[in-house]
Amino acid sequence: GENVEQHPSTLSVQEGDSAVIKCTYSDSASNYFPWYKQELGKRPQLIIDIRSNVGEKKDQRIAVTLNKTAKHFSLHITETQPEDSAVYFCAASPMDAGGTSYGKLTFGQGTILTVHP
Amino acid sequence: EAEVAQSPRYKITEKSQAVAFWCDPISGHATLYWYRQILGQGPELLVQFQDESVVDDSQLPKDRFSAERLKGVDSTLKIQPAELGDSAMYLCASSLIDRTGELFFGEGSRLTVL
Repeated sequence: GENVEQHPSTLSVQEGDSAVIKCTYSDSASNYFPWYKQELGKRPQLIIDIRSNVGEKKDQRIAVTLNKTAKHFSLHITETQPEDSAVYFCAASPMDAGGTSYGKLTFGQGTILTVHP
Repeated sequence: EAEVAQSPRYKITEKSQAVAFWCDPISGHATLYWYRQILGQGPELLVQFQDESVVDDSQLPKDRFSAERLKGVDSTLKIQPAELGDSAMYLCASSLIDRTGELFFGEGSRLTVL
């Protein structure tokens, strides 16, 4: 099955700095890579995702890059703010055999991001 | 905005007791998932339903865990008997059968086994 490794486990930055979280995956069949943010005591929420047909996707201060050859993808947060402090999870899943929906989502171990004012 | 509902939010039980968690997905979401999240780790899939059918329960410890979604809407996850190692957050999520892939999570049920 799929195995997703996430690094670093903790990341501390100053407000305004950039933060980068990296993930590697093992299953070459995976073609969907979402990132979820989980604030303390709250539910995980999708913040951005990327599919294997693109190498980069950006949404305001957040961007995700994908290197399918190397089987790794990264989350980039620019101009960090204290409200970015949370646990971030990467994940990977394959498209199901029918090609209509995504299959089992495997999560990384999470990165605790702390943004200091 | 529609949300996934879970109950109870917190459950403290002694080992060997039975516990049950309930989940009501977003209306119209055919796919329902139960994840277990141990403190400091990412969510791990326990069971996935498509309507009332189990699609994947390969990681469900079937000797003590059971899950059902009888009418293809709400779902119950049961543990009997509970063990100390079952202490975790149990997250329910739902999604549409489509290419978006997004999972909508509930707030979770935190289980503590003493």
